[in-house]
Amino acid sequence: SAVISQKPSRDICQRGTSLTIQCQVDSQVTMMFWYRQQPGQSLTLIATANQGSEATYESGFVIDKFPISRPNLTFSTLTVSNMSPEDSSIYLCSVVLAGGRSQQFFGPGTRLTVL
Amino acid sequence: SQQGEEDPQALSIQEGENATMNCSYKTSINNLQWYRQNSGRGLVHLILIRSNEREKHSGRLRVTLDTSKKSSSLLITASRAADTASYFCATNAGGTSYGKLTFGQGTILTVHP
Repeated sequence: SAVISQKPSRDICQRGTSLTIQCQVDSQVTMMFWYRQQPGQSLTLIATANQGSEATYESGFVIDKFPISRPNLTFSTLTVSNMSPEDSSIYLCSVVLAGGRSQQFFGPGTRLTVL
Repeated sequence: SQQGEEDPQALSIQEGENATMNCSYKTSINNLQWYRQNSGRGLVHLILIRSNEREKHSGRLRVTLDTSKKSSSLLITASRAADTASYFCATNAGGTSYGKLTFGQGTILTVHP
């Protein structure tokens, strides 16, 4: 497995502001993803973070709302822009390790509350 | 969209009993993975089973996969209070969707001491 860290672990934000979440992995990875888990719900894939190029977004998610960067293999950021209370969720990054067997490992998550 | 359906949605048992959770999915898969989540924290990877495998074991965990029925089950034997958590199945279709996971709704397991 790998050590995956996310910053911040939690935050409380005001409506209309933006928050950037960081994800750092201590191993080489092939793929990185961002997921959202709304209160009491399961996980939904937001996008695939592509190294050095624009992220690939899933249906219902757009770059203007969730800009993603991945400047190198082991680091990515997700920004939640112009937040509203509906954005209150846990945001998790996940990775597929280089040389792995398709197992996908998740970070500890960032719990976001928007007032 | 959420592909997986899990049942039961909630399961309450006594320590020492076995817990079985089921997962169904709708489309062909490359692999299926089971995860545990404690109290809204990060997900812990439990087991990956590939589409050409029928059963896998890891400690007290046993996972089966029936691709003809598009279903999987997770069995936890001799449960402990520490097993109390939410359990999710997640499928990967492979191909152009390699790596992308579609999650089931999850089963909330409570193990009473």
